[in-house]
Amino acid sequence: GQSLEQPSEVTAVEGAIVQINCTYQTSGFYGLSWYQQHDGGAPTFLSYNALDGLEETGRFSSFLSRSDSYGYLLLQELQMKDSASYFCAVSSWDYKLSFGAGTTVTVRA
Amino acid sequence: EAGVTQFPSHSVIEKGQTVTLRCDPISGHDNLYWYRRVMGKEIKFLLHFVKESKQDESGMPNNRFLAERTGGTYSTLKVQPAELEDSGVYFCASGAGGDEQFFGPGTRLTVL
Repeated sequence: GQSLEQPSEVTAVEGAIVQINCTYQTSGFYGLSWYQQHDGGAPTFLSYNALDGLEETGRFSSFLSRSDSYGYLLLQELQMKDSASYFCAVSSWDYKLSFGAGTTVTVRA
Repeated sequence: EAGVTQFPSHSVIEKGQTVTLRCDPISGHDNLYWYRRVMGKEIKFLLHFVKESKQDESGMPNNRFLAERTGGTYSTLKVQPAELEDSGVYFCASGAGGDEQFFGPGTRLTVL
């Protein structure tokens, strides 16, 4: 089976940097994905890491260390609209996703 | 291009009744997934279609749940008979076979 751990809540001010860590225990690991969800709506894809290292997409970056079964999502220059839930998810060979419980990020003015 | 759509957005039914959820994936996406989030817990995988075939249904809770994808286009998920523990948000996602899945807005099911 799959097991993922991520913090339940993070609070930060506008302009700050937030790092959301994700550790996983899994069989058949192919990659680590991150999704954003606003107010219980449709989860939206943010990033995918299949190899070790850092992937940067605008203000968001994602990191993976396969040997440590660890990854993180880095949110830079926080904006109010970044207040949302963020989920890490392990992908299997057929891209089936196993999600963590989610991290609620609250951005304060 | 239209995204993934789901119908209905909300459904309230009584225990023992039947409910059918529908998902229309993005046109051309062969892969269709169903997920469920129950009582604020993590989103859990239910099953995966490739075109009209069930690739993996290991996440289906029990035989009260039946999913179909006729013709490899839209999919339905039927719960019969519904139980209280089936309440939650049911998400559908589609993908072209790569690492990104496109999720629909979900159907919020409440079983009373």
